[in-house]
Amino acid sequence: GQQLNQSPQSMFIQEGEDVSMNCTSSSIFNTWLWYKQDPGEGPVLLIALYKAGELTSNGRLTAQFGITRKDSFLNISASIPSDVGIYFCAGQLWYGGATNKLIFGTGTLLAVQP
Amino acid sequence: GAGVSQSPSNKVTEKGKDVELRCDPISGHTALYWYRQSLGQGLEFLIYFQGNSAPDKSGLPSDRFSAERTGGSVSTLTIQRTQQEDSAVYLCASSLTGGLPNTGELFFGEGSRLTVL
Repeated sequence: GQQLNQSPQSMFIQEGEDVSMNCTSSSIFNTWLWYKQDPGEGPVLLIALYKAGELTSNGRLTAQFGITRKDSFLNISASIPSDVGIYFCAGQLWYGGATNKLIFGTGTLLAVQP
Repeated sequence: GAGVSQSPSNKVTEKGKDVELRCDPISGHTALYWYRQSLGQGLEFLIYFQGNSAPDKSGLPSDRFSAERTGGSVSTLTIQRTQQEDSAVYLCASSLTGGLPNTGELFFGEGSRLTVL
């Protein structure tokens, strides 16, 4: 299946630590997104990036759209227990007025120890 | 509710049987997606419907898999002659598309967990 390469696969950290994860693709995208999935639920959008080089923050989350349009990273500062979950990157290539499908990364499992 | 609804939430079937999974997207959303999530794996794209356009079926893993979207709303994913490797959570998502700006935000259902014995 079509997936993006995401790393690391998993992270086990202490509460208060910062976290960084990234995503790479062999194809370019003009939208990068980061989703979080809690156990037993569907993923929920955290941050969306629309321009190469763009750096966007949402509270303790910061994400960047790589200048080559083939990569993105997500940082979480001062982690807390509720940050636990699976984080997915997603790339989208849209044109005209319609969107194209989202291709998701392989996911990063984050565990935070209080 | 107003979210994406999927049914059944859990399905256990025997190898070789056919199964149908249903998705009710958010009202007014023109795009509908099916993804498959295997244990410990990421989200594997299966199929994408956009309005009245021909669906993008490029992610369907074999001809045993098919999907329909009737009336631009409800979608059914059908798996024929199920195999054990079909066991996974099947996630449906919808989005509001057309024109700019487009957030690319997909709204996911809680998924249908399929177990093939």
